[in-house]
Amino acid sequence: AQTVTQSQPEMSVQEAETVTLSCTYDTSENNYYLFWYKQPPSRQMILVIRQEAYKQQNATENRFSVNFQKAAKSFSLKISDSQLGDTAMYFCAFMKGYSGNTPLVFGKGTRLSVIA
Amino acid sequence: GAVVSQHPSRVICKSGTSVKIECRSLDFQATTMFWYRQFPKQSLMLMATSNEGSKATYEQGVEKDKFLINHASLTLSTLTVTSAHPEDSSFYICSPSEATSGFEQYFGPGTRLTVT
Repeated sequence: AQTVTQSQPEMSVQEAETVTLSCTYDTSENNYYLFWYKQPPSRQMILVIRQEAYKQQNATENRFSVNFQKAAKSFSLKISDSQLGDTAMYFCAFMKGYSGNTPLVFGKGTRLSVIA
Repeated sequence: GAVVSQHPSRVICKSGTSVKIECRSLDFQATTMFWYRQFPKQSLMLMATSNEGSKATYEQGVEKDKFLINHASLTLSTLTVTSAHPEDSSFYICSPSEATSGFEQYFGPGTRLTVT
């Protein structure tokens, strides 16, 4: 079974600064996706970024980027130029395979507060 | 992006009654549906997986006779909580998956269930 570990229950960052959220996972699978999801107070899950395991290049989406270390099974999220709207719960998630028909395994989440 | 609706968004019911939650994929066909449950300040936990026209597969510890899942069409799935008790109070999130999406999991906005 796969497990996802987020070791930082809460973090805070000053507006415009950079913050990194940690995530490690455990799996024996070779084919998988990794995701970061944002859950604001509305509780709607919002995809932040995804990474295919076969890609060595780290994924980036505007101010969001990941540091994917496959051998170490590490998948951290860096948020640059933090904005007040980034305040939310952030979940790291693992999906086995590439079909989209397997469920996500979530970490426990990190609550990020962006301070003005 | 894909549009997913859930109804109701929140519901309060008395202990012993049943509640039905609907999840609709509005602009795509969901061949697979995942139902997650999120207790306060916790992560999302998979309850069950269903494929259109087939019986749902439940995760260990989830009572199939209590949480009835129907996935009768490619655009509609329902979760019925039967004989609800206060410990069933939670946030329920559906996640339809389209066969061609490959890597993205879509999420409904969730239903907050409170059992009094």
